[in-house]
Amino acid sequence: NAGVTQTPKFQVLKTGQSMTLQCAQDMNHEYMSWYRQDPGMGLRLIHYSVGAGITDQGEVPNGYNVSRSTTEDFPLRLLSAAPSQTSVYFCASGRVKPQHFGDGTRLSIL
Amino acid sequence: SQQGEEDPQALSIQEGENATMNCSYKTSINNLQWYRQNSGRGLVHLILIRSNEREKHSGRLRVTLDTSKKSSSLLITASRAADTASYFCATDPRTGNQFYFGTGTSLTVIP
Repeated sequence: NAGVTQTPKFQVLKTGQSMTLQCAQDMNHEYMSWYRQDPGMGLRLIHYSVGAGITDQGEVPNGYNVSRSTTEDFPLRLLSAAPSQTSVYFCASGRVKPQHFGDGTRLSIL
Repeated sequence: SQQGEEDPQALSIQEGENATMNCSYKTSINNLQWYRQNSGRGLVHLILIRSNEREKHSGRLRVTLDTSKKSSSLLITASRAADTASYFCATDPRTGNQFYFGTGTSLTVIP
């Protein structure tokens, strides 16, 4: 099993650009979520989904959009990248809560 | 913020020694979980302790939970160099669908 797969692993963007971080899981989990990890801050929840067609905001949703059209995929969109969004992004999935994490996407905004 | 806090932020010990890290949180919980993160990798689930449990063991890991103090501790016994990682606690609150992670403890085990 692949588990939770995140792409890309690394990305550099210019301020104002948009992009989509991809997350896919093959465990048929209903719950998927996106976190950002900043030094000294631990992980903070951006958005989460409890099933296809259902999404909700976490602690730090501003500047990000999500959608959940299938059980397997949960993409995270940065609408207009800002330097404050430089971070490591993790996608997680679980049966009812997050338990399996991807290896992260390291994103730098110049 | 609902984030918990972990103490200490960093810990350096010799191989074979025990490592203890603590987690404090803010809300009533269903359970508390501990995760490990190796450098450059995602989080790996270690152990879950429910709110009605006080202590739980898994191999060299021992977790305690004190809901009256809203705190938990993770003890790693007989540490190995391979235990070098960051350790995070995460709380599952009684209300809502969110997990709240602590700020993490960076453990270095010196061979």
